[in-house]
Amino acid sequence: KAGVTQTPRYLIKTRGQQVTLSCSPISGHRSVSWYQQTPGQGLQFLFEYFSETQRNKGNFPGRFSGRQFSNSRSEMNVSTLELGDSALYLCASSFEGRNTEAFFGQGTRLTVV
Amino acid sequence: EDQVTQSPEALRLQEGESSSLNCSYTVSGLRGLFWYRQDPGKGPEFLFTLYSAGEEKEKERLKATLTKKESFLHITAPKPEDSATYLCAVQAATNAGKSTFGDGTTLTVKP
Repeated sequence: KAGVTQTPRYLIKTRGQQVTLSCSPISGHRSVSWYQQTPGQGLQFLFEYFSETQRNKGNFPGRFSGRQFSNSRSEMNVSTLELGDSALYLCASSFEGRNTEAFFGQGTRLTVV
Repeated sequence: EDQVTQSPEALRLQEGESSSLNCSYTVSGLRGLFWYRQDPGKGPEFLFTLYSAGEEKEKERLKATLTKKESFLHITAPKPEDSATYLCAVQAATNAGKSTFGDGTTLTVKP
């Protein structure tokens, strides 16, 4: 079956701009979690959506937001980009999120200049 | 707050030289502990889920074990293709869908 698809794979943005990243989970999976990965901080949890509802949120500023659609596809948005937002953004798809295997996409590499 | 500490940060082995990676954790009510493998430029690849102390799981040259405070990933007779970063994560019973990750152990296996 098809894996988790994240688009775009690479993105370069200027400080102050906003960006939207997309994640299409594995068919049948209803939970999508987003993570930020940087060399200094490792993998940091952003938020998780299940059946279009945000069920859990990490410690990131309000500039980071997300949503999930009825087909389980998810988007995350970062407004007013800062240099420190440069990172690999990963989404993970699982059947229901609770203690089940999570499958990651290849990630979107965001560079803020 | 949930915490995961992995050691060592980096490990270099000769092909065939067995070793173990450590993952120490603190969590309020463990729902599950996960091991992932990550290759450069790629997303993490799921390896194992462990649910309770005493549980063990195996896959090829890898074996994961779990106690109440830590987990070990044992690598038996590694090959160069086992070179990767191995990540450990925990999920608390009260935090559905949220996993707390360690910083990983970067394993290099020399032929």
